[in-house]
Amino acid sequence: QLQLQESGPGLVKPSETLSLTCTVSGGSISSSSYYWGWIRQPPGKGLEWIGSIYYSGSTYYNPSLKSRVTISVDTSKNQFSLKLSSVTAADTAVYYCARQDDMATTYDYWGQGTLVTVSS
Amino acid sequence: DIQMTQSPSSVSASVGDRVTITCRASQGISSWLAWYQQKPGKAPKLLIYAASSLQSGVPSRFSGSGSGTDFTLTISSLQPEDFATYYCQQANSFPRTFGGGTKVEIK
Repeated sequence: QLQLQESGPGLVKPSETLSLTCTVSGGSISSSSYYWGWIRQPPGKGLEWIGSIYYSGSTYYNPSLKSRVTISVDTSKNQFSLKLSSVTAADTAVYYCARQDDMATTYDYWGQGTLVTVSS
Repeated sequence: DIQMTQSPSSVSASVGDRVTITCRASQGISSWLAWYQQKPGKAPKLLIYAASSLQSGVPSRFSGSGSGTDFTLTISSLQPEDFATYYCQQANSFPRTFGGGTKVEIK
């Protein structure tokens, strides 16, 4: 059974960089059949796609966040990571990692999500 | 960006009712649409992909239809475990975008 688990600080100061890692177990992140993505959800609000990465390192980013986002993959650790720079209170959200199909369309496996609060 | 508009934003229904949720795209997306169910404090769960294909393990009371700009999710006979928020998501182009959600509440 594939499992994804987000990890990282739950509190980040304004203007600093948010860093999260998603560890994949029960399957290989190097499979050519999948992309791996990040999605976030501000408290009480809807879902926002952040970006996606293929095991080769190919990425797609949401243009609204592109200048601040970096997604990377570490196949040796079966992990992929998110970095979001210059955070503000508007970046406070539950951050989810998820698996996508080979065209990065739908998300069929999700992590449980991790709340990141931006506050001084 | 393609805007996804769901209606209604909330619906009150009883167990056994038939519930229909609508999602409209701001431009044509062929059949590149997915539906997710989200319960409080939990991650979304994929129900439908490619507008009408049922994800493995999802009960057959869930169905999806539509193409182009107009789509529907139907729950044929609402069960207690179906009370949740439902989101549509377009997969036609980047950035991937979600609808604002429809909350299905107990009447």
